[in-house]
Amino acid sequence: AQSVTQLDSQVPVFEEAPVELRCNYSSSVSVYLFWYVQYPNQGLQLLLKYLSGSTLVKGINGFEAEFNKSQTSFHLRKPSVHISDTAEYFCAVNRGDYKLSFGAGTTVTVRA
Amino acid sequence: NAGVTQTPKFRVLKTGQSMTLLCAQDMNHEYMYWYRQDPGMGLRLIHYSVGEGTTAKGEVPDGYNVSRLKKQNFLLGLESAAPSQTSVYFCASRPSRGTYEQYFGPGTRLTVT
Repeated sequence: AQSVTQLDSQVPVFEEAPVELRCNYSSSVSVYLFWYVQYPNQGLQLLLKYLSGSTLVKGINGFEAEFNKSQTSFHLRKPSVHISDTAEYFCAVNRGDYKLSFGAGTTVTVRA
Repeated sequence: NAGVTQTPKFRVLKTGQSMTLLCAQDMNHEYMYWYRQDPGMGLRLIHYSVGEGTTAKGEVPDGYNVSRLKKQNFLLGLESAAPSQTSVYFCASRPSRGTYEQYFGPGTRLTVT
């Protein structure tokens, strides 16, 4: 079975500081990787995805993520956060079949 | 395009009552999904469908039934609600080919008392 581990459940950060959200997955086959964001009381919105090619992926709102196959990781970063980045972030993995497996989520709280 | 819509947005049920949640998508997607979201557990797949007239069980199917009579609609039913089914329910869809990205609805918050 495939699992997705988000290593931090809560990440408090000051405005304009950098943030990194860590995601590790277990899989012996090629995977497709996603980060979704959920703003308060809303559905999930895709931030970025890795399918193939360059291991550094850029997404919306200034976020980027790096795929590391040897470490089976897909960490999300933003160099300077805003108050509006306060949200829950989910890492998800697809093995090329019907389903996505989600991590438990990381809550980012940005303080002024 | 409305994308993925869910009805209702909120509902309170008493234990033992039944209800149906409706998901509709206007993107002509073949695949549709129902998830539940609980604190600290991420999203867990309840049931999914890979086409009109087909359904399959996900990770946590017990206590739920689904139907996909039309390609654009995916219904989630609770026949006898239990407090353990208090959750936020999300519907999602995606095309059968492409980038594997799922598109999510806004969610339904269900409370069972």
